Amino acid sequence: GNSVTQMEGPVTLSEEAFLTINCTYTATGYPSLFWYVQYPGEGLQLLLKATKADDKGSNKGFEATYRKETTSFHLEKGSVQVSDSAVYFCALSDRYQGGKLIFGQGTELSVKP
Amino acid sequence: GAVVSQHPSRVICKSGTSVKIECRSLDFQATTMFWYRQFPKQSLMLMATSNEGSKATYEQGVEKDKFLINHASLTLSTLTVTSAHPEDSSFYICSAPPGTGIEETQYFGPGTRLLVL
Repeated sequence: GNSVTQMEGPVTLSEEAFLTINCTYTATGYPSLFWYVQYPGEGLQLLLKATKADDKGSNKGFEATYRKETTSFHLEKGSVQVSDSAVYFCALSDRYQGGKLIFGQGTELSVKP
Repeated sequence: GAVVSQHPSRVICKSGTSVKIECRSLDFQATTMFWYRQFPKQSLMLMATSNEGSKATYEQGVEKDKFLINHASLTLSTLTVTSAHPEDSSFYICSAPPGTGIEETQYFGPGTRLLVL
C-alpha cells in the first residue's frame, strides 16, 4: 500500500540556517504530494503541494520538488525564522483511493534566535 | 481560504460516557469528510471517511460500533465516541475537501482534544 516516510526529528536550527526535511514515498499509482504544517496549538495547514512529477511546490519561502525517479518530495527553505518552528508533515493523496491523505510521521522543527 | 470548524475544541469526560464531536465546513459543501486521530508527537492516522447520504467507510482496525460517524448534511459530520475509555484519549481532527471528494486540497479543522478519565 501507499506510505510516506519522513526524517525523524526534532530538528533544531539557528535562525537563518538552511532547512531540509527529507520525505520519501511509496505509491502504486500517481499520487499528489503535500507538505502540511502544524503550528503549536493549531490545526494543520497546507504549506505546499505538487500534483505530478517534476512539479515544484512553493510557499512562504519553502519549496519541494516532486521527484518520481527517487520517489522523494524533500522540503527546503533557504533561511529559517523562529516563526517557522512547527511540526511538518509530508503526505500523499491518490485520487483513485478517494482522496485519502496518507501522512508521514511528522518532523518537529525548532528554530532558535 | 476555506474554513472547517470543530466543536468542542476540548472535552473531558468520565469513562463509560459517550462524546460527540462536530465537524463543519463553514463556507463550502463537502460530500466527503475525513476523521483522523493523532497521538502526542505522532502522525495523523486516518480513522474513517464520512460520506454524505451513505455509510462511513472505516479503516482497518477501527471499530465502527465504537466510533459512530454521521454525515448529516453537506456541511456537517459528527464523530461519536461511544462508551469512552482512557485509551480513547487523543486529538481528533477532521478534514474536508471541497466538491465531490476527489479534490486533492483538504482543509483541516483545528482538532478536538478528548480526555477520558
